[in-house]
Amino acid sequence: DAGITQSPRHKVTETGTPVTLRCHQTENHRYMYWYRQDPGHGLRLIHYSYGVKDTDKGEVSDGYSVSRSKTEDFLLTLESATSSQTSVYFCAINGQATTNEKLFFGSGTQLSVL
Amino acid sequence: KQEVTQIPAALSVPEGENLVLNCSFTDSAIYNLQWFRQDPGKGLTSLLLIQSSQREQTSGRLNASLDKSSGRSTLYIAASQPGDSATYLCAVNDGSNFGNEKLTFGTGTRLTIIP
Repeated sequence: DAGITQSPRHKVTETGTPVTLRCHQTENHRYMYWYRQDPGHGLRLIHYSYGVKDTDKGEVSDGYSVSRSKTEDFLLTLESATSSQTSVYFCAINGQATTNEKLFFGSGTQLSVL
Repeated sequence: KQEVTQIPAALSVPEGENLVLNCSFTDSAIYNLQWFRQDPGKGLTSLLLIQSSQREQTSGRLNASLDKSSGRSTLYIAASQPGDSATYLCAVNDGSNFGNEKLTFGTGTRLTIIP
């Protein structure tokens, strides 16, 4: 299995509070991604990174920011959490600059915003 | 905008039977298609990746086919086992020569193998 660790695994927070989720990889992979998974929507891309300090927006980036200061860490921040951000968040990685590289996923973070 | 559909949403099959899972997509200009497996409370595991130039890929008891012109892919599971019970998702990559930032996922088929 690819070395991907997400923390925390579970988080309950209140509306309006900031939240940071962490993704840590030991594979030295270049590409990292943050997805959210909601019933009836499949997985949707929030942000992705193609290198240290190189990030870009995905399909559902509003209300989220990311940072990547080291190859191994990709942080997702909800600046002011809302109930619509209650979801399961997955980090994924792939190594090569090619569409033919498989994605490896972390185990996810269950976030509840009350 | 690419749309990926997986029907049915749930499927129950007796152990030992062969089965087919379906995936359809609206835009045939894709680079590749992946099939994933997701167990409850876990992340996704990539099973098979089919490049746009390929017709099928095989791994053990799994065989995935791709028909770009009709916008369809199937995942064939031979001699099903209870351990195959999981949700199976397909994802289409249609936006870029680099990375996977243009993946569009289906909502999955929840497969239950009955012992």
